[in-house]
Amino acid sequence: EPEVTQTPSHQVTQMGQEVILRCVPISNHLYFYWYRQILGQKVEFLVSFYNNEISEKSEIFDDQFSVERPDGSNFTLKIRSTKLEDSAMYFCASSMDRVDTGELFFGEGSRLTVL
Amino acid sequence: EDQVTQSPEALRLQEGESSSLNCSYTVSGLRGLFWYRQDPGKGPEFLFTLYSAGEEKEKERLKATLTKKESFLHITAPKPEDSATYLCAVQDYQFYFGTGTSLTVIP
Repeated sequence: EPEVTQTPSHQVTQMGQEVILRCVPISNHLYFYWYRQILGQKVEFLVSFYNNEISEKSEIFDDQFSVERPDGSNFTLKIRSTKLEDSAMYFCASSMDRVDTGELFFGEGSRLTVL
Repeated sequence: EDQVTQSPEALRLQEGESSSLNCSYTVSGLRGLFWYRQDPGKGPEFLFTLYSAGEEKEKERLKATLTKKESFLHITAPKPEDSATYLCAVQDYQFYFGTGTSLTVIP
C-alpha cells in the first residue's frame, strides 16, 4: 500500500540552527501539506502546496519556515533558525484532491527537538 | 476560540461495551468534517469524511454521524485493538483538528 515517508524520524538540534525535514508523498498525489503537533497539543496546520507553490498557510508559518519541492518526489520543510518552541512532531501529508474533497494521508512524522 | 472541541478527553471501555465520542464545532462555513485515528508516535490515519448534516458513514465497528453543530463517532462492541486517540477535524478555509479522545479498550 502506498504511503507517505518522512525523514529523519527524530532530529535534535541547537537553537538557531537550520533544519530541513524531508517527505516523499504518495506518487500520484497532487496536494502536499505540513502539520505539526506539540507534545500533548492539537495537530496544527502549517502550509499546503500545490502546483509548485504555496496555496494556503497558517499564522504559524512565518518567515522562518519555507517549503520546497526540489524534484518530482521530495517535499521539504525548512526551518531557518530554530527556536525552542519549534520542538514538535512534524507531519507531512498528501492528497489526490483538495483536502475538502478527499482524504489526507499522513506520514509517521519527524520529531524535532530544539535544545 | 476553539473551532473544534472533543469530548470526553479520555474514555476507558470494557471489550464489547459500546459508546460514542463527541466532536462539536463552531466554524460557520463547514466544507467537511473528518475523523482520524492516531496511534502513539504515528501520524493520523484517515477514517471518514462527512459533508452535510444527516450524513452517516460506517467502517467495521465505527459509525460517524453529523449534525449542524456536532459529530459523533459511535463504537460498537469495541476490541482492544480499537485503543487509540480519535481525532476530529473540520475545514472551512483552513483545517482545524481537535485535541482528540484517547480511547482505551480493556480486554
